[in-house]
Amino acid sequence: GAGVSQSPRYKVAKRGQDVALRCDPISGHVSLFWYQQALGQGPEFLTYFQNEAQLDKSGLPSDRFFAERPEGSVSTLKIQRTQQEDSAVYLCASSFRTVSEQFFGPGTRLTVL
Amino acid sequence: SQQGEEDPQALSIQEGENATMNCSYKTSINNLQWYRQNSGRGLVHLILIRSNEREKHSGRLRVTLDTSKKSSSLLITASRAADTASYFCATGVMMDSSYKLIFGSGTRLLVRP
Repeated sequence: GAGVSQSPRYKVAKRGQDVALRCDPISGHVSLFWYQQALGQGPEFLTYFQNEAQLDKSGLPSDRFFAERPEGSVSTLKIQRTQQEDSAVYLCASSFRTVSEQFFGPGTRLTVL
Repeated sequence: SQQGEEDPQALSIQEGENATMNCSYKTSINNLQWYRQNSGRGLVHLILIRSNEREKHSGRLRVTLDTSKKSSSLLITASRAADTASYFCATGVMMDSSYKLIFGSGTRLLVRP
């Protein structure tokens, strides 16, 4: 079956714009995770969903970041009033069970000018 | 914040040689996972080792885990040019109702043909 897909793959935003990043997890995967990866660094955890419930949002950098997964499948990460420091690759991952291996999407590279 | 420290940060070897990468972490873990990332691409899951396991093999990969020393190693035997990538260890940490992967900063491996 298809892997995790993310769209758009690349996004350029002017400072102050709102952006929405989409993640389509593997069908049947209960858990969904968002990570942020800065250039040359490992990914950093942002938030975790189990089905439609957001169980952990402790990694979201500020209240400008918001994530949802209303029907327990597709998820959207929204960043309001983007800042230059938001420039990074945003990775989505899903897993069949909470503690099993995570399958990552290709990421969305966000550049804020 | 990243939990893992990976050593070395960069490694250059000749095709056919073995490559060893080490990872240390700080907190209690549920499992430890290794991922590969080619330049500009998503993360590919390599292997998962549970906290009660000491060693695991998958093809040319061998992973060890020492929970008393809070460390893990990834050995790639008979390396190939196609193994050139960044390798990340990630600790699976369960806390309250949440679960997350905490990544190290990665080892950049170059396999020279």
